[in-house]
Amino acid sequence: TQLLEQSPQFLSIQEGENLTVYCNSSSVFSSLQWYRQEPGEGPVLLVTVVTGGEVKKLKRLTFQFGDARKDSSLHITAAQPGDTGLYLCAGVIFYKYIFGTGTRLKVLA
Amino acid sequence: GAGVSQSPSNKVTEKGKDVELRCDPISGHTALYWYRQSLGQGLEFLIYFQGNSAPDKSGLPSDRFSAERTGGSVSTLTIQRTQQEDSAVYLCASSRPLAGSTSTDTQYFGPGTRLTVL
Repeated sequence: TQLLEQSPQFLSIQEGENLTVYCNSSSVFSSLQWYRQEPGEGPVLLVTVVTGGEVKKLKRLTFQFGDARKDSSLHITAAQPGDTGLYLCAGVIFYKYIFGTGTRLKVLA
Repeated sequence: GAGVSQSPSNKVTEKGKDVELRCDPISGHTALYWYRQSLGQGLEFLIYFQGNSAPDKSGLPSDRFSAERTGGSVSTLTIQRTQQEDSAVYLCASSRPLAGSTSTDTQYFGPGTRLTVL
């Protein structure tokens, strides 16, 4: 069984702080995706990383794929209340998406 | 254009009853997934349809669960003899895999159906 563990599970921070969310597995993935989900909606894709060691930046969000393609991190700089939501990582093997356990982020104004 | 739609948005049923959940994928998307999400948790893969190929049903938790996709478009997830542990949000996603492409597809999710079994 492929599992993706995310940490932390919950995070409550003040506006302007930085944070990092981790996604770890013992499985190797062909690529890894990060999603954000808001209440009552489906997840929305933020980024896909494909190459081991790859780093992608999306405004204040920085995504990194581990060298061995087993883990990933999401770093948010100067968090804002609009960043509040459930963050999910998903490892991809062929057509299957293995979702992580999720990190619920709350950014307080 | 229109996104993935699901109906109903909420379903409350009594234990032992059957329920049908519907998914309308984005037009032209050949791949369709069903997932289950328990309160605030990650997504659990249930079933995958791709074009006319046999579906991957490996994620269905029991034989009470079944799904079909008619005409390569609309899909229905059926849960027979519902149990309280079936309570969750059921999400559908569609994508358009590019033949011969090595890039990862983008899944587009519907808003989900919240199922409550009393």
